[in-house]
Amino acid sequence: DAMVIQNPRYQVTQFGKPVTLSCSQTLNHNVMYWYQQKSSQAPKLLFHYYDKDFNNEADTPDNFQSRRPNTSFCFLDIRSPGLGDAAMYLCATSRGGRGRNQPQHFGDGTRLSIL
Amino acid sequence: ILNVEQSPQSLHVQEGDSTNFTCSFPSSNFYALHWYRWETAKSPEALFVMTLNGDEKKKGRISATLNTKEGYSYLYIKGSQPEDSATYLCYMDSNYQLIWGAGTKLIIKP
Repeated sequence: DAMVIQNPRYQVTQFGKPVTLSCSQTLNHNVMYWYQQKSSQAPKLLFHYYDKDFNNEADTPDNFQSRRPNTSFCFLDIRSPGLGDAAMYLCATSRGGRGRNQPQHFGDGTRLSIL
Repeated sequence: ILNVEQSPQSLHVQEGDSTNFTCSFPSSNFYALHWYRWETAKSPEALFVMTLNGDEKKKGRISATLNTKEGYSYLYIKGSQPEDSATYLCYMDSNYQLIWGAGTKLIIKP
């Protein structure tokens, strides 16, 4: 089935040690999003790609970077994770422009823990 | 800073009862309002996308309405079933931002 796949499902890293989360899609959607969600809070959009165009949200810390080497894959790099970065990270895709009237298709998320 | 508010934060409903909850959003620069259902250990699933004032959408026992002038949307569930237990999230797409609410956690009691 066409889907959005996030790996790994759970990730543990040490304080300050770089970590990369991955997302792949078989939907051939041109927009890919990364969200951070902390317990009982609203998902926070970190950035999105419209095709190869990278769009950073104004309040996304510099510690968070992203790469999209091709249509199918997108990576979230956290350069120096702090304790406050422990969260669920969600990847989503959609067809067409950001948000707009197309639904987003989500992966199952990666839960990141910082030791 | 624009905010999307969802109420209540959580809700316990008896199986078979109907229920509804609210998504409130700033009405300026509105483009679209989306509803999602997020079950535990699964990924969020799109329910509705609404763009026009007065829109009503329906999917089985779940329906939603939209009032863009006053900035709210209601989600209704008729005859709640255990499988309806989930967190229901909305987000607003404005011309400048994509803003999520924190969700309403719905628990259906057998």
